[in-house]
Amino acid sequence: KAGVTQTPRYLIKTRGQQVTLSCSPISGHRSVSWYQQTPGQGLQFLFEYFSETQRNKGNFPGRFSGRQFSNSRSEMNVSTLELGDSALYLCASRPLASSQETQYFGPGTRLLVL
Amino acid sequence: GENVEQHPSTLSVQEGDSAVIKCTYSDSASNYFPWYKQELGKGPQLIIDIRSNVGEKKDQRIAVTLNKTAKHFSLHITETQPEDSAVYFCAASMGNSGYSTLTFGKGTMLLVSP
Repeated sequence: KAGVTQTPRYLIKTRGQQVTLSCSPISGHRSVSWYQQTPGQGLQFLFEYFSETQRNKGNFPGRFSGRQFSNSRSEMNVSTLELGDSALYLCASRPLASSQETQYFGPGTRLLVL
Repeated sequence: GENVEQHPSTLSVQEGDSAVIKCTYSDSASNYFPWYKQELGKGPQLIIDIRSNVGEKKDQRIAVTLNKTAKHFSLHITETQPEDSAVYFCAASMGNSGYSTLTFGKGTMLLVSP
């Protein structure tokens, strides 16, 4: 099976702009989670979607949002970008949303906000 | 919520030596503990995981031990090789709810010198 894919891989934006990132899960996986990775904070959970519904949400401001489509592909959107939003954004998929299922990560989208 | 502490933050060993990375967690209901390896420019890749009904698990040169009473788990890599150099993350699920997700440690940068 193909792995988790994320597009684009790299992105440069300026403060105040908005950005949309895309994630295609492993075929058959219905759960997609998003994480933000920074050198200072490490890997932080943003949100998880399962069957087009947000199931969990981390401690991030409302500028961060997401959605999931009927084919399980997911997008996340960040509005009014701030310098601190510069990070590697990772998505991970798993078959369902069980606590003991392995999450498989994509290569990430590196976002730089200038 | 769950909190995962990981030590050490950096670890340098000689090729052929063993490496041990330790993690503690706070939520006694956590029941799934994966370890991920992240190489430069890539997303985290699962290397081994353990569930709460098992005390130890081994896969070739890699082993993980879990002590639920003390709420800590460790990654052991024997006969280290230069290609083991990477950042390693431990994680714990947030509990038994159907839609729990992972909380990560801050990571350990392992450097294996030839």
